[in-house]
Amino acid sequence: GQQLNQSPQSMFIQEGEDVSMNCTSSSIFNTWLWYKQDPGEGPVLLIALYKAGELTSNGRLTAQFGITRKDSFLNISASIPSDVGIYFCAGQSPNSGNTPLVFGKGTRLSVIA
Amino acid sequence: ETGVTQTPRHLVMGMTNKKSLKCEQHLGHNAMYWYKQSAKKPLELMFVYSLEERVENNSVPSRFSPECPNSSHLFLHLHTLQPEDSALYLCASSQDYLAGPQYFGPGTRLTVT
Repeated sequence: GQQLNQSPQSMFIQEGEDVSMNCTSSSIFNTWLWYKQDPGEGPVLLIALYKAGELTSNGRLTAQFGITRKDSFLNISASIPSDVGIYFCAGQSPNSGNTPLVFGKGTRLSVIA
Repeated sequence: ETGVTQTPRHLVMGMTNKKSLKCEQHLGHNAMYWYKQSAKKPLELMFVYSLEERVENNSVPSRFSPECPNSSHLFLHLHTLQPEDSALYLCASSQDYLAGPQYFGPGTRLTVT
């Protein structure tokens, strides 16, 4: 089946630093989504991207739909302790058959105050 | 955001018990999903319902039995589970099947003893 390669797997950063993570695939995608999951909770949708090249912000978060349609990036500026959690990318591909979304394995973010 | 609710939030059951997980979405969506999330594994799609009809069953053991009585409610009936079934079970909904972002509930943490 299709896979999304999400990196890095984990990050330890100082409060106030900027964060970058990305997701890549060998297939093209029509939609890229970014979610955040806090411990013991379900993933919460952060940003949805629908067009190649699209750049969308949500507060301190910015995500981009790669021009090749095979990747997406999420940036967090000026990190704060509540940014801690696991960030998942997800995508929908025209070649994914009946699979609604393909998920990455997540990036675990730790913020050191 | 209380668009998708799940009960119970935590469940401990023995291998011979029968229990049910409940999900309700208040978003007017037409598609609902059950996922299993185990430690260090990607989200695993279990079942998909679109307009109350099951459209996908990803080789899930028969000890898991879904039910979708209407477009707002989704159940997962559990019986004769194994310890390896212990996981976070997540419900999600989207406007339509294969279209639009999915919105997740908070999950049910299941422990099988």
